[in-house]
Amino acid sequence: EAQVTQNPRYLITVTGKKLTVTCSQNMNHEYMSWYRQDPGLGLRQIYYSMNVEVTDKGDVPEGYKVSRKEKRNFPLILESPSPNQTSLYFCASSRQAGQPQHFGDGTRLSIL
Amino acid sequence: SQELEQSPQSLIVQEGKNLTINCTSSKTLYGLYWYKQKYGEGLIFLMMLQKGGEEKSHEKITAKLDEKKQQSSLHITASQPSHAGIYLCGAARAQKLVFGQGTRLTINP
Repeated sequence: EAQVTQNPRYLITVTGKKLTVTCSQNMNHEYMSWYRQDPGLGLRQIYYSMNVEVTDKGDVPEGYKVSRKEKRNFPLILESPSPNQTSLYFCASSRQAGQPQHFGDGTRLSIL
Repeated sequence: SQELEQSPQSLIVQEGKNLTINCTSSKTLYGLYWYKQKYGEGLIFLMMLQKGGEEKSHEKITAKLDEKKQQSSLHITASQPSHAGIYLCGAARAQKLVFGQGTRLTINP
């Protein structure tokens, strides 16, 4: 089954404690992306990757890092999480940029 | 302000009624996506519109793209409880994708 898998689905943690949200897709897609969803603001793109070893900032990259060492994986790293990063995060992938994206089920992060 | 503005932000309709959700862009639209999200879950791709005047349908959902008005509309005919959720429009901007803030649709029996 074609899917984008995120882990964990839920996480409560404290300010400053480094965390990683993993994202994996099994569709051999070149394009992957991370979004955060906040009430009243909709989905905002954090980072995206056109292919292996190629990553670029989205609209709200501050406080986040990503890497794309393999085609299937695109982890999101919060080196020093802060409460304003409490949000619902989505990973997505598509065959190429500009094509419809497949979304993961989301990761709800709470930073205390 | 948002590059893509959706209206209304929330909508409550009685089951069986028709409804329309609009998505207006502050920039030229070269293509537009519609997604549906069930509360707290991932987004499901509905339709992609690429050409001005294009209209697509999926079951009881129809979407149109008006490039001149920089607007797209999503119309649901004879709404059902399964249509409830959040509808989001999205537009490609170079390699990025931007979204509207979403329209929360509630269907009352």
